[in-house]
Amino acid sequence: DSGVTQTPKHLITATGQRVTLRCSPRSGDLSVYWYQQSLDQGLQFLIQYYNGEERAKGNILERFSAQQFPDLHSELNLSSLELGDSALYFCASSVDLGRTDTQYFGPGTRLTVL
Amino acid sequence: AQRVTQPEKLLSVFKGAPVELKCNYSYSGSPELFWYVQYSRQRLQLLLRHISRESIKGFTADLNKGETSFHLKKPFAQEEDSAMYYCALRAPQTIIQGAQKLVFGQGTRLTINP
Repeated sequence: DSGVTQTPKHLITATGQRVTLRCSPRSGDLSVYWYQQSLDQGLQFLIQYYNGEERAKGNILERFSAQQFPDLHSELNLSSLELGDSALYFCASSVDLGRTDTQYFGPGTRLTVL
Repeated sequence: AQRVTQPEKLLSVFKGAPVELKCNYSYSGSPELFWYVQYSRQRLQLLLRHISRESIKGFTADLNKGETSFHLKKPFAQEEDSAMYYCALRAPQTIIQGAQKLVFGQGTRLTINP
């Protein structure tokens, strides 16, 4: 068990709605990453936070936002949901030790937009 | 641009046969390459990374800069190797910037037949 936890496991909602996905990193990890896994796009990097600050941004839509809190847990907010947002959202964490760094993934949150 | 290509979506081999999962990358410098594995109903986990030059569960991968490839190999497949395999790239300059995003290929679903 890598120690990264994500809640909820599954989320079913309607178009136009807003949801919040939560991620708790492994103890001691300062970086949190969000990835989206969909059938057509594969596994895509969305955003990275390090110790509360945004470090890198990927293919994240403007309707999506994230933050990392002082206790290092992170939330990914998805708003004005569309059918195409249905995907598996993974969170990963790492200590951030340069080249030897390893990202440890959580179990994912499966989002279904109806 | 950074890109990872896994040309085979599906790969099926018999138990005991050799396995090779192909991965090609596009990157102008010297990237770091990884293989991640996702067993059924489990989270993504790191299988191996090229800088470690290690063998995990009998799998090895060699970085070929001339062919820009990082193929994953195992001489004798086992049924428990059935899983989804992802090749991923990390650009070193992003590490310097503090960003550690992984660029993933589309994945190959490996099925080992008894």
